[in-house]
Amino acid sequence: GQNIDQPTEMTATEGAIVQINCTYQTSGFNGLFWYQQHAGEAPTFLSYNVLDGLEEKGRFSSFLSRSKGYSYLLLKELQMKDSASYLCAVRDWNNAGNMLTFGGGTRLMVKP
Amino acid sequence: DAGITQSPRHKVTETGTPVTLRCHQTENHRYMYWYRQDPGHGLRLIHYSYGVKDTDKGEVSDGYSVSRSKTEDFLLTLESATSSQTSVYFCAISESGGQGLRQPQHFGDGTRLSIL
Repeated sequence: GQNIDQPTEMTATEGAIVQINCTYQTSGFNGLFWYQQHAGEAPTFLSYNVLDGLEEKGRFSSFLSRSKGYSYLLLKELQMKDSASYLCAVRDWNNAGNMLTFGGGTRLMVKP
Repeated sequence: DAGITQSPRHKVTETGTPVTLRCHQTENHRYMYWYRQDPGHGLRLIHYSYGVKDTDKGEVSDGYSVSRSKTEDFLLTLESATSSQTSVYFCAISESGGQGLRQPQHFGDGTRLSIL
């Protein structure tokens, strides 16, 4: 099975930088995904990592260390609209259905 | 945005009644999934499908059944709804996810189901 941990809540200030961590345990790692979910809405895909290192996409970056079972999502120049939940999800190569296992999500509150 | 439509968007029903939720996609993706999302539990997989008439159980499948008679439609049925099945239900779709391939899942807007 898989075990995915991320902080439940975080608070940050508009214009600042915030790092949301995710640790995981899996028998056969085959990719890690980050999703953003605004309250009352569907999750939307943000980023994907399968190799070690940093993937940058505008204000958002995601980092992966497979040896440590660790990822983080970095949000720069925070805006009020970044207030949302951020979901970490892991895909295991043992599954043939492209299935994901999700962490409980981190609720980020951005304050003025 | 991925073409995924869930219906109904909201439903209130009574314990013991049957309920069917529908997910319709226009992307011709092979894989379809049903999740439920509850406070403190995140997204949990109920059932998934890897092709027409091909389905399998997820983490929390008890009390739920699914059917996929066409590529574009994936139905989730609660045969006899219970209050513990009050939740937000999300459908998702994806293309085939081979080794290392990106292929994220894309989600519908969700169905808010209340069972009284």
